[in-house]
Amino acid sequence: QQQVKQSPQSLIVQKGGIPIINCAYENTAFDYFPWYQQFPGKGPALLIAIRPDVSEKKEGRFTISFNKSAKQFSLHIMDSQPGDSATYFCAASGNNFNKFYFGSGTKLNVKP
Amino acid sequence: DGGITQSPKYLFRKEGQNVTLSCEQNLNHDAMYWYRQDPGQGLRLIYYSQIVNDFQKGDIAEGYSVSREKKESFPLTVTSAQKNPTAFYLCASSRGWGEAFFGQGTRLTVV
Repeated sequence: QQQVKQSPQSLIVQKGGIPIINCAYENTAFDYFPWYQQFPGKGPALLIAIRPDVSEKKEGRFTISFNKSAKQFSLHIMDSQPGDSATYFCAASGNNFNKFYFGSGTKLNVKP
Repeated sequence: DGGITQSPKYLFRKEGQNVTLSCEQNLNHDAMYWYRQDPGQGLRLIYYSQIVNDFQKGDIAEGYSVSREKKESFPLTVTSAQKNPTAFYLCASSRGWGEAFFGQGTRLTVV
């Protein structure tokens, strides 16, 4: 059973648009939800992470929205730029787990 | 400079050959992980280790082996039993279940 489901698989937006990537999780024991950004041929890099005691976290142009009751969280990229074109992965973990559960990834293309 | 170093960046394997991918970290992290990534796909967990001299199979461990003799090192061997080894391999480490840091990957190709 897939613990973290991510959508959409791919996304195309114009420069300045606000792409939104969604993730849903099953296990209510998860309490750490990071997002990773990966450029082609590189390893993923941590972008932003949230814990379930807050509903939103913002770092620069990146915002995570978290809905604990719906078991969903999403990444919003404000004023998107062509340099944001990458694959984004959500993940879930927590104190009672000894590994991370990753979503399947979203390939974002920001057109100039 | 703290981080995770994977080597080599590119590796070519002949049919029936075992190859070993190196992963070293100087972050003093207890946990280390190996993931496989196929083109356009997500990350699949091969093996993980929470402590020295202990490791567990992930979702796709068949045809792979690991060792964790030192905290800093977690090498992955791709054996001849792995029938489709061509992929991008990523090593990661974390302090418990917190933030995970990834290496830059090793691209393995069967020739």
